[in-house]
Amino acid sequence: SQQGEEDPQALSIQEGENATMNCSYKTSINNLQWYRQNSGRGLVHLILIRSNEREKHSGRLRVTLDTSKKSSSLLITASRAADTASYFCAKADSSYKLIFGSGTRLLVRP
Amino acid sequence: DAGITQSPRYKITETGRQVTLMCHQTWSHSYMFWYRQDLGHGLRLIYYSAAADITDKGEVPDGYVVSRSKTENFPLTLESATRSQTSVYFCASTGLAGGTDTQYFGPGTRLTVL
Repeated sequence: SQQGEEDPQALSIQEGENATMNCSYKTSINNLQWYRQNSGRGLVHLILIRSNEREKHSGRLRVTLDTSKKSSSLLITASRAADTASYFCAKADSSYKLIFGSGTRLLVRP
Repeated sequence: DAGITQSPRYKITETGRQVTLMCHQTWSHSYMFWYRQDLGHGLRLIYYSAAADITDKGEVPDGYVVSRSKTENFPLTLESATRSQTSVYFCASTGLAGGTDTQYFGPGTRLTVL
């Protein structure tokens, strides 16, 4: 079963706007990871946030983690057309397996 | 080229045939994974391997077989392909502290079973 579930399933914004995607999970985690997938391509790692971290930044990306609510959010600021892709959260527990959510499809309109 | 590669990139086969998908990585990563991605869905883990000669089942292993005789290779075999195995297959690897760290993905193999 998929334990990381993204919300919304699809998001359409104008270039320059911010995009926020949310991810919820059900059981305890070691870390939570976000990946991007361009159409027809493999997944690219964006950012990893550990269970003892609350916020992390990487360029225009900001990830937050609320372990009490079992949720995470990915914020992309000043979006660009090139950010158009599907974004997946993946939960890592104490083992070595990642459990992926169903993803958010982001469309950034020029 | 360094990295993780998959072959073939596209494959069409018929029901009942055996198909092997190849995965090769040049980082000497300990852990390797096979996922399938169905249209509009996230990835589901099929099999994983912690090291050469060590493999274990993931979430959806039925109908698949893996082997890992060498650290750098992790082939996935569909022993008797079924239409429900039509999917995009991704291989991934990671080395640091097992699979709790970043995974690096191959470009995928698009498999169609007729």
